[in-house]
Amino acid sequence: RKEVEQDPGPFNVPEGATVAFNCTYSNSASQSFFWYRQDCRKEPKLLMSVYSSGNEDGRFTAQLNRASQYISLLIRDSKLSDSATYLCVVKEGGFKTIFGAGTRLFVKA
Amino acid sequence: NAGVTQTPKFQVLKTGQSMTLQCAQDMNHEYMSWYRQDPGMGLRLIHYSVGAGITDQGEVPNGYNVSRSTTEDFPLRLLSAAPSQTSVYFCASSISLAGELFFGEGSRLTVL
Repeated sequence: RKEVEQDPGPFNVPEGATVAFNCTYSNSASQSFFWYRQDCRKEPKLLMSVYSSGNEDGRFTAQLNRASQYISLLIRDSKLSDSATYLCVVKEGGFKTIFGAGTRLFVKA
Repeated sequence: NAGVTQTPKFQVLKTGQSMTLQCAQDMNHEYMSWYRQDPGMGLRLIHYSVGAGITDQGEVPNGYNVSRSTTEDFPLRLLSAAPSQTSVYFCASSISLAGELFFGEGSRLTVL
């Protein structure tokens, strides 16, 4: 089993749609959680951290369920500019950072 | 705002050649790291450093060396390039172990 697993992509959605990405992690002792965004042939950039209480940043909502070892990202009112690959990232402590393989999102006009 | 700067952006090597990927950051971050990204896989940690003079191995260190003589610079050396090292390499820095990773633009390496 992979340490961090994400939904297989790609997701193809129309503008304005709501889309949800899921991620599971294997180490119950993992300490912190993030979603990064990576545009085609670019470097990853932090989208948002994920907190146990859930957190929202504009159209983006992240949730963490430690009991189920599950992280989610919800994007509402999708824009063309949201087209990218979304990476689930889990920090286990020390310098160990595990990246998911990513889920590609295509938002169509 | 330069952030993390990587050079070169593209490189083609022949098997057995050596080279150095350069990485510099101007944010005074103590923590720096090198990752490789291959299709269908998450980024994998090659080497990291928690400060000048301190380096350690990550998940896939074989075939690579690093050094950290200054806070700003963290070069990655390929000792004898192999086709399996064809990948995109990212350098990253962060202000703390738990903090956001800031990545360079990446270096695309092809080994023939």
